[in-house]
This record gives sequence, structure tokens and C-alpha cells, in this order.
Amino acid sequence: EAGVAQSPRYKIIEKRQSVAFWCNPISGHATLYWYQQILGQGPKLLIQFQNNGVVDDSQLPKDRFSAERLKGVDSTLKIQPAKLEDSAVYLCASSSGLAGAGWAWEQYFGPGTRLTVT
Amino acid sequence: LAKTTQPISMDSYEGQEVNITCSHNNIATNDYITWYQQFPSQGPRFIIQGYKTKVTNEVASLFIPADRKSSTLSLPRVSLSDTAVYYCLVGDPGYALSFGKGTSLLVTP
Repeated sequence: EAGVAQSPRYKIIEKRQSVAFWCNPISGHATLYWYQQILGQGPKLLIQFQNNGVVDDSQLPKDRFSAERLKGVDSTLKIQPAKLEDSAVYLCASSSGLAGAGWAWEQYFGPGTRLTVT
Repeated sequence: LAKTTQPISMDSYEGQEVNITCSHNNIATNDYITWYQQFPSQGPRFIIQGYKTKVTNEVASLFIPADRKSSTLSLPRVSLSDTAVYYCLVGDPGYALSFGKGTSLLVTP
């Protein structure tokens, strides 16, 4: 079974520029997550999709970050304009479970995209 | 989201059993306890998940007392390749889970 794919793996941009990350989840997984992981910290959830709807985006800085999951499969996370503090690894994860289903499942993570903002 | 507390770091020698305890005093009835492992430059990887009592798989065991206010991840006979950061997550896995800072485990020969 193919894992979660992300691209690019690395990106260097200057502040105020725009950047986009792409994620292809495991086939059939209804739920997709984007996390931001700053060096030395644990991943922080930015947004959670269930199919093509948003379950939780409470920690997404909506003035500069946007995400979409068209057709409930692939997803794109965009930052516009980028700030120095956006330098981090952006992780995408997917799971087969549904929010509120009342049972447990695991999240499968991709390798991440390392973003450096100079 | 239930707040979790776990040690910042732990050291162990190869071949020893390692127990990492996580405190979660305000765990809710619907919450599960999940542990992830993360190696440098990789995304986290699911280790084990439980609701109560004891869960065991081919990698680890998870011990959860009756009050569920804490849990212990047990790694039998660790090797150098078990050096990683281990995260304890508590919550309804259908919704956002907070990873915290995790426990950095260093295994030495």
C-alpha cells in the first residue's frame, strides 16, 4: 500500500513570497490533516478535512494560510505571504476514520515538506 | 483536549526495557490514548493505542490504570534504532490531537 505522498520535500523562499504544498493521502482515506512542526516542538494541527469538508481549522492562520481538498482526495496548503516564523516542516497525514465515529484509528504521516523562509 | 505531561528526555542502554509514563488527569470518557514515534526528518509513526487496561502489539505495550489518569508505554529490550521522540496523545482520535513536546529517548550501547 502506498503511503502519504508530499511534495516538494524542501522549499526555500524569501519572506513575503508565496508557497504551496501538495499532499496525496492513502487511497480511500476520508480524513486528511495538515500539521506544522517547528524545530524542537511537536506537530501542531493546522487543519483537518473529512472528505472535502473542513472539520477543524481553528489553528490555521487564515490571514495568510489557506488549504483546500478538492474532490475529497488530494490537498494543497498555501502560504501567502510567508513570514520568517513560518519556517517549519509541514506534515500531511491521513486516516480511514471519520470524526465522531466513536472508535479509534491511526494517522499515517507523509515525509513532510521542510520550508525555510529567509 | 486533555493536557498531557511526559518527561522531556530519557536515556537507556541497549537491551533494557524502557517505560515512558504520561499523565493526563483530565481525560474525558470518549478519549483514547495514543502513542506515536518520530525519527529525525520523518513524520510521526503510530505505535499503539488503547482505552483501558493493557494493550500489546509486536512493538510495545500500553498500560492504563483503572482511573485512566495516566498511561505507560513500555518498550521491551530497546535497540539503538529506538532512539526517537515519543509522543503521548489523548483525545477523541476523530478530532484534533495535541502532540506536545514528547519524550526524547536516547538509547546507547
